Amino acid sequence: EAGVVQSPRYKIIEKKQPVAFWCNPISGHNTLYWYLQNLGQGPELLIRYENEEAVDDSQLPKDRFSAERLKGVDSTLKIQPAELGDSAVYLCASSFFQQDEQFFGPGTRLTVL
Amino acid sequence: KQEVTQIPAALSVPEGENLVLNCSFTDSAIYNLQWFRQDPGKGLTSLLLIQSSQREQTSGRLNASLDKSSGRSTLYIAASQPGDSATYLCAVIDDYKLSFGAGTTVTVRA
Repeated sequence: EAGVVQSPRYKIIEKKQPVAFWCNPISGHNTLYWYLQNLGQGPELLIRYENEEAVDDSQLPKDRFSAERLKGVDSTLKIQPAELGDSAVYLCASSFFQQDEQFFGPGTRLTVL
Repeated sequence: KQEVTQIPAALSVPEGENLVLNCSFTDSAIYNLQWFRQDPGKGLTSLLLIQSSQREQTSGRLNASLDKSSGRSTLYIAASQPGDSATYLCAVIDDYKLSFGAGTTVTVRA
């Protein structure tokens, strides 16, 4: 069974440019999460989806970040415009249902110059 | 707000020694607790999930215990190997949210 797939694995952009990350969860997993991980810290939740509905986006900086999960399967996280402080690893995870064991993708390492 | 703490931040042991990794959390009303492993530049690999009604969970050389009343979990890794070198993170789920500790970075010396 394939795990959580993320692309790209690495992205380098200049500040003020837009960037987008893609995630395909494990087949059959209804819950999808986007996390941000800074160096030396644990991941922090940005947004959680139940099927196509964003049920918790309280930690998502909505002035520059947006996300969508069309058809309740794969998801895209976008930043526009990117700032220097956005440099981090963006992780996607999925679970069969809420509060169940979570499985993570390899992450996208973003560098903003 | 749930706070998860992992001490120590780093640990170095000789091969063959048993590893003991600690995790503490401030709010005992958790749904479950999950231990992860993270290799440099990689995503998180789930190691063990302990439901709030359980006291421990075992997988191979790994054993994790949970004491909700005291807000603590311990991950034991028996007979450590150089391949066990990684960062180990614990995370608790409460109110549908996963809160992570900063991790313990383990180095197993050959």
